[in-house]
Amino acid sequence: GQQVMQIPQYQHVQEGEDFTTYCNSSTTLSNIQWYKQRPGGHPVFLIQLVKSGEVKKQKRLTFQFGEAKKNSSLHITATQTTDVGTYFCAGYAGNNRKLIWGLGTSLAVNP
Amino acid sequence: DSGVTQTPKHLITATGQRVTLRCSPRSGDLSVYWYQQSLDQGLQFLIQYYNGEERAKGNILERFSAQQFPDLHSELNLSSLELGDSALYFCASSGPTGLGGGRNEQFFGPGTRLTVL
Repeated sequence: GQQVMQIPQYQHVQEGEDFTTYCNSSTTLSNIQWYKQRPGGHPVFLIQLVKSGEVKKQKRLTFQFGEAKKNSSLHITATQTTDVGTYFCAGYAGNNRKLIWGLGTSLAVNP
Repeated sequence: DSGVTQTPKHLITATGQRVTLRCSPRSGDLSVYWYQQSLDQGLQFLIQYYNGEERAKGNILERFSAQQFPDLHSELNLSSLELGDSALYFCASSGPTGLGGGRNEQFFGPGTRLTVL
């Protein structure tokens, strides 16, 4: 079936270091969404990418959608302790009505 | 505050029992989604309703069922509970399909933590 793989599963960084999580799909995605879940909280929508090769920035966060629309990445520059949480990617494959979720990358930041 | 409400916040019950989880979507949202999140597991999509009708089904067990009512609130019924059903259950809602090929983002409620003893 359709799968979205996310790596790494866990990442531990020192505050100020950069962080990247990658999302790879077995099929072409019509769009991809990124969510962040803080410890003890619920997932919160960050961004959606739709176009092939699209790059979007939110302050220190940079999101990319691959040219083939099968992969995506989230890069955080100079991490802060407020970046702690689990980052999920999720995408729709074609006209499929189900949003397929990655397992998430848990980020820990040492102050 | 996402605007999605879920009750109860916590639920403790015994194996074999049946429980009902309740969700009220954001005002104006027609779609409701249910997810299960266990320890060390990602979000498992269970089921989606749109304006009262089932729209998409995920890994929902036969012991589980859901419905969306005319006022758009939704209930998730879990029966013959097992220890492995202990998890955080999230409800999310979204508006109509977005423009430009996108789909509207999902807004999650605070979740119901179910503990089966």
